[in-house]
Amino acid sequence: AQKVTQAQTEISVVEKEDVTLDCVYETRDTTYYLFWYKQPPSGELVFLIRRNSFDEQNEISGRYSWNFQKSTSSFNFTITASQVVDSAVYFCALSEARTGGFKTIFGAGTRLFVKA
Amino acid sequence: GAVVSQHPSRVICKSGTSVKIECRSLDFQATTMFWYRQFPKQSLMLMATSNEGSKATYEQGVEKDKFLINHASLTLSTLTVTSAHPEDSSFYICSARDSETSGIGDTQYFGPGTRLTVL
Repeated sequence: AQKVTQAQTEISVVEKEDVTLDCVYETRDTTYYLFWYKQPPSGELVFLIRRNSFDEQNEISGRYSWNFQKSTSSFNFTITASQVVDSAVYFCALSEARTGGFKTIFGAGTRLFVKA
Repeated sequence: GAVVSQHPSRVICKSGTSVKIECRSLDFQATTMFWYRQFPKQSLMLMATSNEGSKATYEQGVEKDKFLINHASLTLSTLTVTSAHPEDSSFYICSARDSETSGIGDTQYFGPGTRLTVL
């Protein structure tokens, strides 16, 4: 069975601090996709990144970076020099193929508070 | 980028009434749409997978007679909460897969969500 664990329920940092959000996943498939989404108070999910299971290259996009480690089944997300606008709930998600298509499972989410 | 809309964004209804929520893909065709439910401060839980022209596939524990899903066209899926009760109050989010890109991975585009309050 697939599972996504985000052990950090809430994180509070001061602006300009770096913060890492952890994500550990479980799957039996060799082909799968990992995602991070941001959900601001408005509720709309904002897509941040997708990574397939065959691409372990880490990625950097501005202040965001992702560390994908298959050996530890982790896909951690780091925000560098955090800003107040980064305050939101962040979800890690796992999609794997199943009959008829894909199924996406979301982690419990990590609520990030960035204080000015 | 691809846009998914939901209507209404917010609805308040009396217990016992039925509520229909629409999910539309605005600039792409979606043979598959998904319906999620999110309780306050909780994660998204997949309720069902909606396939154009066929019956929806419901997740375990989701009552298909209570949450009716219709995916009549490549751009529209509807979720009807029948005989709604206060415990059905939640944030309902739909997502759609772009039929053109589904072969290269699970690219889902999410709607803005519908907040349902049942009094």
